Amino acid sequence: TQLLEQSPQFLSIQEGENLTVYCNSSSVFSSLQWYRQEPGEGPVLLVTVVTGGEVKKLKRLTFQFGDARKDSSLHITAAQPGDTGLYLCAGRYSGGSNYKLTFGKGTLLTVNP
Amino acid sequence: NAGVTQTPKFQVLKTGQSMTLQCAQDMNHEYMSWYRQDPGMGLRLIHYSVGAGITDQGEVPNGYNVSRSTTEDFPLRLLSAAPSQTSVYFCASSYLPGTGQYEQYFGPGTRLTVT
Repeated sequence: TQLLEQSPQFLSIQEGENLTVYCNSSSVFSSLQWYRQEPGEGPVLLVTVVTGGEVKKLKRLTFQFGDARKDSSLHITAAQPGDTGLYLCAGRYSGGSNYKLTFGKGTLLTVNP
Repeated sequence: NAGVTQTPKFQVLKTGQSMTLQCAQDMNHEYMSWYRQDPGMGLRLIHYSVGAGITDQGEVPNGYNVSRSTTEDFPLRLLSAAPSQTSVYFCASSYLPGTGQYEQYFGPGTRLTVT
């Protein structure tokens, strides 16, 4: 079974602070996705990264894919209460199905006003 | 374009009862899947389908059945509900043929409690 480790599991910060969430595996990804899930709703896709070393920005969110395609990070600058939610990374492994995603357990972020 | 829809939103069952969770998508996606989400366990794949008439087991298939008679619909059946099946269930779809895009879109979830 291929595992996808996310850290930290919980994160509580004040509005305006910066934070980074990590997603790691011992296996190589063909692609990796980040989702955000709000209470009572399904996960919503934020970004897909495909190329080793790739960096994508979505407003105050910066996503980075490791050079070896085994890890990824999500950095949020000047966090706001609206960023509160569960952040999930999910990957497709090289040599695996194009369809099947393996999910990390998520990072529950709380941004306090 | 409603995306992925799920019904019901909430359900309470007694141990031993059976029921079907409905899922439909209107994006002509080829791939559909069912996950359950439990605290501290993340999203775990129950069953998936790569097209009408084709289904396969995921990580935690025991106690669940699926079928895919049309591209749009992918119901999940609980055969004899057990308290261990108390969870939030999500249906997802992905892959529009010819696009090379595999991003998954999720429904709003069904919160199931088995007493």
